[in-house]
This record gives sequence, structure tokens and C-alpha cells, in this order.
Amino acid sequence: AQRVTQPEKLLSVFKGAPAELKCNYSYSGSPELFWYVQYSRQRLQLLLRHISRESIKGFTADLNKGETSFHLKKPFAQEEDSAMYYCALSGRGTSYGKLTFGQGTILTVHP
Amino acid sequence: DAMVIQNPRYQVTQFGKPVTLSCSQTLNHNVMYWYQQKSSQAPKLLFHYYDKDFNNEADTPDNFQSRRPNTSFCFLDIRSPGLGDAAMYLCATESAGTSGRGQFFGPGTRLTVL
Repeated sequence: AQRVTQPEKLLSVFKGAPAELKCNYSYSGSPELFWYVQYSRQRLQLLLRHISRESIKGFTADLNKGETSFHLKKPFAQEEDSAMYYCALSGRGTSYGKLTFGQGTILTVHP
Repeated sequence: DAMVIQNPRYQVTQFGKPVTLSCSQTLNHNVMYWYQQKSSQAPKLLFHYYDKDFNNEADTPDNFQSRRPNTSFCFLDIRSPGLGDAAMYLCATESAGTSGRGQFFGPGTRLTVL
């Protein structure tokens, strides 16, 4: 069975401070990992995916297979980063992926 | 330029009264998903369509059904809504064969059951 755990429901940081949102997963195989973000009153949208190894809006996430983690990091958080963040996993082996979501972390960046 | 559209955005129904939620997309994606998201919980997959092939999750209640008459539209039917079915319902699409590109979500329909 696949599972995604986000241990922190809430994370508060001050503007300009680093933010790290934790995500751990369990999956027997090689998963695809994603971070989705939901800003206030907006739809859920893809932030980044591990397969592309990209940085979006200053956020990065590295897949650590040894620790089965995919933590999201931003070195200098901004107020506009305040949102709900979901880590999600999709099993490989098909040409598309059903997502299993973590419980989400609400990031609040204070001025 | 909305790509995944859900109607209505808010739906109120009575206990036991059938209700239909709709989703349409302009992306021409061949996979469409329905998720249920209860308050303070993660989205939970109910079922999905790969083209016309329907795939139900093992723990999705029989009370939930879906139809996909064409590529652009997908419907979620709740035959006899109970109080526990009150939730946000999210539709998402994906283009199969582009694994790793992620899903596109609609804004959701918030269902209230009286």
C-alpha cells in the first residue's frame, strides 16, 4: 500500500526565514512524487515534481530514497507563500498516475 | 481560460435526494479523476476514467457513480446522499503518456447535505 505522511499540520515562519515542509512516503517500488499547493480561494495546483528536478517560485524538493522523503524547501519564505501544501505520490508502471495525498501542511509566513 | 471547470461551485441537496456534479475540460486529456475532500482532510480518490474505461477505487461506496459521455465531460452522481457525503468534490484531468507532468484540478464543488 502507498502512503504519504506530512507530520506537520501547521508551519509558521517569518518573512525571509527558511521554510521546510516535511514529507515521507512508503511505496514498494519507484514512485513519482509531487508537491501541490492551494492558495486561499484558489484551486489545487501543481507546484513541482521530482522527476523534473526544477525550482518553482524558489521552492525545491529532493527525493531521498534512502530516507523515503521528499521535503519541500524554500530558503527565504515570502508572505505570498502562505498556503496549504500537499505532498502526493503516484506509482509508476502506468502511463498516468493516481495520486495519494498527504494530509497537508498549512504554511503561514508572517511579516 | 479555465481548463477544468466544475459546476455548480456550491450544491445543496437533501438527505437521500440524488444529486449530480459536473466537470468539463478544455485540455483534451484522456484521464479524468474524481476526488472527495472532507474538511481538514486530504483529497481521496473515488474513481477515474481512462478514455471510456471506468476504474473504481475499492473503497468507494456504491452510492457514488460516474458517467463520461465524451472526452470533455464527466459527471459524479450520488444516488442517495447522506450527511457523511458532505464534502468538497474535486475533478482533475491528466494526459496519459506524459507521466510525471501532474494533474490539473478544477475549483471543486462544495456539497452540503441537509
